[in-house]
Amino acid sequence: QKEVEQNSGPLSVPEGAIASLNCTYSDRGSQSFFWYRQYSGKSPELIMSIYSNGDKEDGRFTAQLNKASQYVSLLIRDSQPSDSATYLCAVNSDTGNQFYFGTGTSLTVIP
Amino acid sequence: SAVISQKPSRDICQRGTSLTIQCQVDSQVTMMFWYRQQPGQSLTLIATANQGSEATYESGFVIDKFPISRPNLTFSTLTVSNMSPEDSSIYLCSVEEGTGGNEQFFGPGTRLTVL
Repeated sequence: QKEVEQNSGPLSVPEGAIASLNCTYSDRGSQSFFWYRQYSGKSPELIMSIYSNGDKEDGRFTAQLNKASQYVSLLIRDSQPSDSATYLCAVNSDTGNQFYFGTGTSLTVIP
Repeated sequence: SAVISQKPSRDICQRGTSLTIQCQVDSQVTMMFWYRQQPGQSLTLIATANQGSEATYESGFVIDKFPISRPNLTFSTLTVSNMSPEDSSIYLCSVEEGTGGNEQFFGPGTRLTVL
């Protein structure tokens, strides 16, 4: 069983819309959750981290965590073509020593 | 966050040879990590490198194939030994830091092609 699951997409949204990216994880003891953005040919860039249940907002990005459902999501408001990238969900293991990455969701924002 | 550089940025190598990838950080960090990202795949952790101790390898990765050095708190190397085409991948180093103490930040990566 994969540790972290994401829909591979591709997900397409029109410019200005809300993009919703979802991630589930299997390790119930996980405590730290991260969203990375990866442009083609580039390395992953950390855009959000979340540690407690609820919402965390940073500019146009909102991360949502529900530990009971083992679910974490990322909302991108007012999507821009520059948001087109692959978004990777990462979960820190219960022991805190290893990150598990999902396979990523490819997002395309259509002008 | 720390500024991380990697050398080389890309290389094309022949089967059976070895390549050493360098990772340099502009500040002292305790935890450094080496990942592999194969085409179209997500990131897979190869090993964790702490200064002053042997690297800890993940299942499926062995020291003879991927020897790692960590001579100080700002530098690490990963060697890909006796390469085969299956080793063609992007190799990334990362460091752990942040307010929570466990955010990871990645270097620009090394794109390796083995012929």
